Amino acid sequence: AQTVTQSQPEMSVQEAETVTLSCTYDTSESDYYLFWYKQPPSRQMILVIRQEAYKQQNATENRFSVNFQKAAKSFSLKISDSQLGDAAMYFCAYSIGYALNFGKGTSLLVTP
Amino acid sequence: EPEVTQTPSHQVTQMGQEVILRCVPISNHLYFYWYRQILGQKVEFLVSFYNNEISEKSEIFDDQFSVERPDGSNFTLKIRSTKLEDSAMYFCASRDGTGLYEQYFGPGTRLTVT
Repeated sequence: AQTVTQSQPEMSVQEAETVTLSCTYDTSESDYYLFWYKQPPSRQMILVIRQEAYKQQNATENRFSVNFQKAAKSFSLKISDSQLGDAAMYFCAYSIGYALNFGKGTSLLVTP
Repeated sequence: EPEVTQTPSHQVTQMGQEVILRCVPISNHLYFYWYRQILGQKVEFLVSFYNNEISEKSEIFDDQFSVERPDGSNFTLKIRSTKLEDSAMYFCASRDGTGLYEQYFGPGTRLTVT
């Protein structure tokens, strides 16, 4: 069974600073997809960034980037220049094409 | 920008009653999903649907649950006889047929079973 582990239940960052959220996963598959979703207090699930396992290059989307270490089965999310609107739950997710398998989430607090 | 919509936003029902949660996926998407999130917990997969049939389901998706795509736009989740533990946020998601595998989520339906 594939499992996704987010070891940081809560993280805090000051506005304009950088924060890294960690995620590890366990799989025997070689082709898969990794995602970070953001869930603000409205509880809407918003896709932040995705990474295909066959790509060595780390994905970036504006202030969001990932550090994908396939051998270590690690997929961390870096948020640069943190903004108050980044405060939310962040879920790491894994998929081989059908279901998304989510971690338990990291609650990110952004302080002024 | 196209988006997934869900109705109602909040449903309150009594234990033992049937509920139908409705979703309108993004129009050119081919794969449809239901997930649930019990308050304070992680998002859990329920079922995926493609080409008018279930393609994968989790252990949670037992005989009390069913899904249907009654027409070209709606995708529904039915819970036949609700239990207190069915209280959760239910999310619908959809994705297109390309290899990107990105799933786009609706805003969710909060189901409260009393």
